[in-house]
Amino acid sequence: KAGVTQTPRYLIKTRGQQVTLSCSPISGHRSVSWYQQTPGQGLQFLFEYFSETQRNKGNFPGRFSGRQFSNSRSEMNVSTLELGDSALYLCASSLASDTYEQYFGPGTRLTVT
Amino acid sequence: QKEVEQNSGPLSVPEGAIASLNCTYSDRGSQSFFWYRQYSGKSPELIMSIYSNGDKEDGRFTAQLNKASQYVSLLIRDSQPSDSATYLCAVNPPDYKLSFGAGTTVTVRA
Repeated sequence: KAGVTQTPRYLIKTRGQQVTLSCSPISGHRSVSWYQQTPGQGLQFLFEYFSETQRNKGNFPGRFSGRQFSNSRSEMNVSTLELGDSALYLCASSLASDTYEQYFGPGTRLTVT
Repeated sequence: QKEVEQNSGPLSVPEGAIASLNCTYSDRGSQSFFWYRQYSGKSPELIMSIYSNGDKEDGRFTAQLNKASQYVSLLIRDSQPSDSATYLCAVNPPDYKLSFGAGTTVTVRA
């Protein structure tokens, strides 16, 4: 079974621009979560989607948004990029059963200049 | 208070020794507990999950959970250089959000 895929793998943007990242979960998984990972803050939860509904959101500004499509694929968008948004953005999928075993994709490395 | 706290590293162990990693969590309602391994430059990889008190063994890894003490640990027996990585403890409180600790970096000396 194929794993979680994320595109693009690397991205360089300038301040003020916006970016859209894509995630395709493992086949059959209906929950997709997004995380931001930086050396200083570690892994921080952004939001989680299940059946196209956002079930939970972390403490990030409204510039960070996401959505999930009917095929469980998900996108996250960051508008008005800031230098501090440079990070590894990770997507994880799970069956959304009670176990919440999440499997991560390879991530998108975003650099904001 | 952070939701999930891990013992500060880095942790250096000789090859063949036992590496012991500890994690405490703040939400007593948490039901699911996970250990992830993350190699430098890679994404986290799920290595263990545990849901009930006691020990769970998988190969050279043993996870231990004590809900009364809000404590979960990971033992790596017969440590190998390939075990050198950052280990992340993750806890699932009942709000659909997985909370991660800061991680403990383990170095296995040959």
